[in-house]
Amino acid sequence: GESVGLHLPTLSVQEGDNSIINCAYSNSASDYFIWYKQESGKGPQFIIDIRSNMDKRQGQRVTVLLNKTVKHLSLQIAATQPGDSAVYFCAEKKGGFKTIFGAGTRLFVKA
Amino acid sequence: EPEVTQTPSHQVTQMGQEVILRCVPISNHLYFYWYRQILGQKVEFLVSFYNNEISEKSEIFDDQFSVERPDGSNFTLKIRSTKLEDSAMYFCASSENGGVVDTQYFGPGTRLTVL
Repeated sequence: GESVGLHLPTLSVQEGDNSIINCAYSNSASDYFIWYKQESGKGPQFIIDIRSNMDKRQGQRVTVLLNKTVKHLSLQIAATQPGDSAVYFCAEKKGGFKTIFGAGTRLFVKA
Repeated sequence: EPEVTQTPSHQVTQMGQEVILRCVPISNHLYFYWYRQILGQKVEFLVSFYNNEISEKSEIFDDQFSVERPDGSNFTLKIRSTKLEDSAMYFCASSENGGVVDTQYFGPGTRLTVL
C-alpha cells in the first residue's frame, strides 16, 4: 500500500555538524519525492525535491539522495544551524494530485 | 515572495456547528488543496481542486466537507457539522500546474478546536 515512513522520530545534532534524516517508502511506483520542513506553528515549507529518475540532487546546504533499490530517501543538511531545528517530512507523489507525507523526524540542533 | 495565506489562525467551535476555513492561494496558481494534521501526527491529504471542480479527494473528505472558490482569490473549506475528531490543523496549499513534478506550497494553517 501507500506508505512513507521515517526511521527515527528524533535527531539531535551539534551546531555545525552535518545532519542526515532518513526515510523509507514502500511504493516503488512513486514518481517524485519532496522534503518539507515544518517549524512550530507553521505549515510545511518546501526544501528540496527529486524525481524518481535521479539519485541525487543538491540545493543550498541540503542534498537529497534517492536509492530506489532499497526504497530509501535521505536528506543531508550541511553545517547544521539552530534555525534548522524543526520537524522534517519526506513526502511522495505517484501521479494524481495528492502528496503523501511520512510521519516526520524532529531535528534538534544543540548550540 | 508570494505565499499562501489562511484565516483565521485559530477557530474554536462547538460540536455540531458549521465552520468555514479560508485560504488565499498564490495568485498565479491553478491547483488548490486542503490537508489536515491532527496534533502530533502526519499531514494528511483531504482534497484537490481545479477549474471549480474537485479533482481528487481522500476517504477523510466525506459529505460533511465541501470546498469552494467563491471568487477569484479565496478558496474555502466548509465542515457542515463538526465532530470532536475534526480538531486538527488545516493547511491550504496551491501549485502551478498540478503535475506530478509540481511543488505544492503550504499556508500557515488554521488550528480548529472542536469542543
